[in-house]
Amino acid sequence: DGGITQSPKYLFRKEGQNVTLSCEQNLNHDAMYWYRQDPGQGLRLIYYSQIVNDFQKGDIAEGYSVSREKKESFPLTVTSAQKNPTAFYLCASSTSSLVRDEQFFGPGTRLTVL
Amino acid sequence: GEDVEQSLFLSVREGDSSVINCTYTDSSSTYLYWYKQEPGAGLQLLTYIFSNMDMKQDQRLTVLLNKKDKHLSLRIADTQTGDSAIYFCAESLGYSTLTFGKGTMLLVSP
Repeated sequence: DGGITQSPKYLFRKEGQNVTLSCEQNLNHDAMYWYRQDPGQGLRLIYYSQIVNDFQKGDIAEGYSVSREKKESFPLTVTSAQKNPTAFYLCASSTSSLVRDEQFFGPGTRLTVL
Repeated sequence: GEDVEQSLFLSVREGDSSVINCTYTDSSSTYLYWYKQEPGAGLQLLTYIFSNMDMKQDQRLTVLLNKKDKHLSLRIADTQTGDSAIYFCAESLGYSTLTFGKGTMLLVSP
């Protein structure tokens, strides 16, 4: 089955700790994305990557970091510099086609910082 | 700049039609999308429309696009309780980044 997996589904961390969220896809997609979702806020783009070893900041990149060493994987690190990290994090991927670029989403990780 | 606006909430009775509206600001949009999110889950693509189309129908779903007014709507016929979810519209300029609205919560009562 092709798809996007995110792990874990729920994550709890103490304030001041860095935490890394996993995102893996086996759709052979070039592009991958990280979004943050807060209640009533919709989706806000954190980082995206259109190709391996390259990534760009989205609208709210401060306090986050990413890497793209493999096509299948795009982990997101929430650092202690992120002032309000408690949120629902969604990973997505797309073919990066310029013709049609619908994004396919993973099931999400809910991060709670205590 | 890009901005996508949606009403926040819609309540309908089972069997009625639902219409969810969206306005966008960027006239360069190539594709417009409708996604569905069930509680605690990721987003699922429902349908999309290319910017040179006025309407697209897919089973119970009808998408209408008024490009002059930059208005997009999603009509769900014979709405069921399983349709209760948050619906997002999104616009694309064709460079693989999407701009999402804040979502419309659809509540379907029996």
